[in-house]
Amino acid sequence: AQKITQTQPGMFVQEKEAVTLDCTYDTSDQSYGLFWYKQPSSGEMIFLIYQGSYDEQNATEGRYSLNFQKARKSANLVISASQLGDSAMYFCAMREPDSSYKLIFGSGTRLLVRP
Amino acid sequence: DSGVTQTPKHLITATGQRVTLRCSPRSGDLSVYWYQQSLDQGLQFLIQYYNGEERAKGNILERFSAQQFPDLHSELNLSSLELGDSALYFCASSPSGSGGAYPGELFFGEGSRLTVL
Repeated sequence: AQKITQTQPGMFVQEKEAVTLDCTYDTSDQSYGLFWYKQPSSGEMIFLIYQGSYDEQNATEGRYSLNFQKARKSANLVISASQLGDSAMYFCAMREPDSSYKLIFGSGTRLLVRP
Repeated sequence: DSGVTQTPKHLITATGQRVTLRCSPRSGDLSVYWYQQSLDQGLQFLIQYYNGEERAKGNILERFSAQQFPDLHSELNLSSLELGDSALYFCASSPSGSGGAYPGELFFGEGSRLTVL
């Protein structure tokens, strides 16, 4: 069964610095997709970035980028130039390969940006 | 705004009671997913419906049930509530089960926060 592991329950970063949030996954499938979502204190889930297993380039979306290392089965989120508004929970998720296309989530990392 | 609407946003009830959470997916989305997020936990998949039919089931308790109606809105029914059922319940939708811009992309509602006292 697929599994997502986020080993950092909490992290601090200084404003304007970059931070990397770790995510490793376990799957035997060749085709899969990885997502990162942000959950601010208000609770909503905000989609940040997607990486497909066959994508040759690491995904980037503004200040967010993915450090995708397929052989290591890791998809770490890099946030550049951190802002106070980046303080939130961050979840890594993987798409299930069956017809449901449901996502399975990691336990999350709570990021706190210090001024 | 994801386009997914969940009601109520907040609900406080007592143990042993029954509640119904409602979800309206994005216009045209056929697939609805329900997730449970307990305090400081990740999201746990409960159940998925596609065009009115149950498609996938996760760790959903027997006290919980769901359905998707012909107009594609969905309801999650929670009965015989226990303290441990207190959680944020998310509904998410996707166009055809295969995602939006990305395969598997889900569009989440803002959640229904259930507190059982």
